[in-house]
Amino acid sequence: EVQLVESGGGLVKPGGSLRLSCATSGFTFSSYSMNWVRQAPGKGLEWLSSITSGGTSEFYADSAKGRFTISRDDPRDSVYLEMSSLRPDDTAVYYCARDSAWGRPDAFDVWGQGTKVTVSS
Amino acid sequence: DIQMTQSPSTLSASVGDRVTITCRASQSISNWLAWYQQRPGKAPKLLIYKASSLESGVPSRFSASGSGTDFTLTISSLQPDDFATYYCQQYSSYSYSFGQGTKLEIK
Repeated sequence: EVQLVESGGGLVKPGGSLRLSCATSGFTFSSYSMNWVRQAPGKGLEWLSSITSGGTSEFYADSAKGRFTISRDDPRDSVYLEMSSLRPDDTAVYYCARDSAWGRPDAFDVWGQGTKVTVSS
Repeated sequence: DIQMTQSPSTLSASVGDRVTITCRASQSISNWLAWYQQRPGKAPKLLIYKASSLESGVPSRFSASGSGTDFTLTISSLQPDDFATYYCQQYSSYSYSFGQGTKLEIK
């Protein structure tokens, strides 16, 4: 069974940092691009960042550029999101999602259950 | 960046109704469009990819069409499980964007 499991969320003070992890199983992780998407309370979905297979390219939404860094560890079948200079408006549920295995952007066919991040003093 | 606009934002309907949700892109995205369903407290679920292709396991009452800038999602006969929020997403480039969502409510 294909699975994505996020972890690392929690309560952090404004200006603080957090590292989210997404452990995967059930598919050949190294072949797929992976993404992070977030959803603020009562709001819609916001794509944050993508990393292609092999980690050859990274892409970021404007809201994530300069503060968030995506990375992957293929031997551990995991993808990460390092977040710094966190602000209250970064409060959201953060999802990882599987993308393409064929070298171009694709729909997100598998999602994790999400991890909640709260930025508050 | 490509902006995605869905309408309506909220839709009230009854079990058995046929409903249509619209999604418009700010520039042409060919057929690089997906539709997702999200139930409260749950992760989004892929319903449709490449504008009109039904994801495996999704009931055939869901259908979609469109290309370029204008797209629609249709549910032919609403079932109780279908009352949820629906999002479109463009993936024409590695700068994905979602519509703001359409909440489908029970009338």
